[in-house]
Amino acid sequence: QQQVKQSPQSLIVQKGGISIINCAYENTAFDYFPWYQQFPGKGPALLIAIRPDVSEKKEGRFTISFNKSAKQFSLHIMDSQPGDSATYFCAASRETFSGGYNKLIFGAGTRLAVHP
Amino acid sequence: ETGVTQTPRHLVMGMTNKKSLKCEQHLGHNAMYWYKQSAKKPLELMFVYNFKEQTENNSVPSRFSPECPNSSHLFLHLHTLQPEDSALYLCASSSPLAGAKDTQYFGPGTRLTVL
Repeated sequence: QQQVKQSPQSLIVQKGGISIINCAYENTAFDYFPWYQQFPGKGPALLIAIRPDVSEKKEGRFTISFNKSAKQFSLHIMDSQPGDSATYFCAASRETFSGGYNKLIFGAGTRLAVHP
Repeated sequence: ETGVTQTPRHLVMGMTNKKSLKCEQHLGHNAMYWYKQSAKKPLELMFVYNFKEQTENNSVPSRFSPECPNSSHLFLHLHTLQPEDSALYLCASSSPLAGAKDTQYFGPGTRLTVL
């Protein structure tokens, strides 16, 4: 129930195309769904996040679509650029108010390559 | 220096060695985390410290020993490791006091190779 399943494992997209990465979760108590981006030699960095009270969130070329009934969420990268080539991780968590920290459950990652 | 820093960036050790990984955060956060990142696997949470107190130990073998002397520093002491422990070890920090409560800030990681 703690798993977050991410697909595909790798993705190749042409410059200007749309990159789509999907994630599914089991635990209905999850209430925070971030996406992290990781470049080689760097740690993951928060890209965009959504909570289940909305079905979509857009920030620039990046959009999260959220389907609560299906327990799925996805990342769409519009007009993909070579600079977007990185590994993307979805995650889910349940805010822990008493602990004061957030226990994230990560997907296995998607390696995106955007070809010029 | 800002953000989350980790040293060393690369470490090669034998199975009988003892070494330590260091993490330092300059963000004023109260929670610090150790993760293990292996190829094609989800990031595995190992330990969490909140205000210097260990609040999470995710069934990590005792050959990994964390230490958090203060809210800015986190160590991972390693001894008698196995080759399967070779991975990228990531440190992260977060704070419920910041505007983005849920954001974890990661360091660049230590690439560990156990021979």
